[in-house]
Amino acid sequence: TQLLEQSPQFLSIQEGENLTVYCNSSSVFSSLQWYRQEPGEGPVLLVTVVTGGEVKKLKRLTFQFGDARKDSSLHITAAQPGDTGLYLCARYNFNKFYFGSGTKLNVKP
Amino acid sequence: DTGVSQDPRHKITKRGQNVTFRCDPISEHNRLYWYRQTLGQGPEFLTYFQNEAQLEKSRLLSDRFSAERPKGSFSTLEIQRTEQGDSAMYLCASSLVGADEQFFGPGTRLTVL
Repeated sequence: TQLLEQSPQFLSIQEGENLTVYCNSSSVFSSLQWYRQEPGEGPVLLVTVVTGGEVKKLKRLTFQFGDARKDSSLHITAAQPGDTGLYLCARYNFNKFYFGSGTKLNVKP
Repeated sequence: DTGVSQDPRHKITKRGQNVTFRCDPISEHNRLYWYRQTLGQGPEFLTYFQNEAQLEKSRLLSDRFSAERPKGSFSTLEIQRTEQGDSAMYLCASSLVGADEQFFGPGTRLTVL
């Protein structure tokens, strides 16, 4: 199955809090992408992780790829209202990209 | 700006009308994808092209939907006899062959009344 499960589905937090969102599958990924999408816009690629156990940082965002390459997490430190959006994970397989349903994050000032 | 562009950004139409959307990919990208996204969901694959060849179509793509990429550059997606269930965001993305990253346009929001 190409199914990607993202959790939580919704998250509403105060500015300055930390959070983690998850992306899981029962099958192994060759690579996994994280995107952020704002209302009315297309998804914007944040990062691609390829190697099991890999950790990538993008300012206050930390992306981790599980050792078995079946799961990934995105951790945001000191969230800001500008982080508000839909966070999507996607996997690339057989020339196509398969997306999870996303985590909708709302950061309140 | 050399990113992916889509036109129009918004389209409101009446049920039964035909609509056509355009996507201009990043110029050196030879793969072009179309997706549909409804509220609260991630993008769902519709079809993709490698250069001018349409290599795969999803079962979601009924015979009312057709896509072309005549010269391997821009692409069009046409929906004939629109239905209210076609209301969604239609997204285009492009990539290089073999690359596991793709880049999206801003989308076309279709509303069928």
